[in-house]
Amino acid sequence: QKEVEQDPGPLSVPEGAIVSLNCTYSNSAFQYFMWYRQYSRKGPELLMYTYSSGNKEDGRFTAQVDKSSKYISLFIRDSQPSDSATYLCAMRPFSGGYNKLIFGAGTRLAVHP
Amino acid sequence: DADVTQTPRNRITKTGKRIMLECSQTKGHDRMYWYRQDPGLGLQLIYYSFDVKDINKGEISDGYSVSRQAQAKFSLSLESAIPNQTALYFCATSDAGAGRTGELFFGEGSRLTVL
Repeated sequence: QKEVEQDPGPLSVPEGAIVSLNCTYSNSAFQYFMWYRQYSRKGPELLMYTYSSGNKEDGRFTAQVDKSSKYISLFIRDSQPSDSATYLCAMRPFSGGYNKLIFGAGTRLAVHP
Repeated sequence: DADVTQTPRNRITKTGKRIMLECSQTKGHDRMYWYRQDPGLGLQLIYYSFDVKDINKGEISDGYSVSRQAQAKFSLSLESAIPNQTALYFCATSDAGAGRTGELFFGEGSRLTVL
């Protein structure tokens, strides 16, 4: 079983829809949780990060962490065609550097006009 | 110009050939990484380097080697390429002082096909 599970999609939604992207994990030591966005033929770029449990909002994006369920989510409100990309969750324990970062497989999202 | 530059962007080669992928960065970061991305598997760490004299294996280092020629340069080599090394390879950098954010800065990737 992988440490981090993420549905690869693809997920296709109309413009303006609310999108929910999710990851589950098995390692209770994970404390830092991130979402990376990867456009086609580009490298991933950090979109959001959270520490431990709770919510974090940034514009149309909300990241949510439920450590009791080992479940993290990224919500995109009022989705736009420019949001079409692959979204990768990533997480790591408190100790150790980014060499301890574990990525999900990524969910491909397509937002159509 | 990109902060993290990878060359070549695309390469097709044959089984048994030696291949080098190069990475250079202008971000001034000490830490550099090589990842491999396969469909359905996400990003997997091949090697990482915290400074010029520090090289470490990642989770999938077999069949690969690296060289940190300078703070800004980190190369990945496949001594004898095999078809299951066909993948998208990413170089990344991080600032040791970035703390919790987990921000890795990625290059645009090198697509390698081994026939």
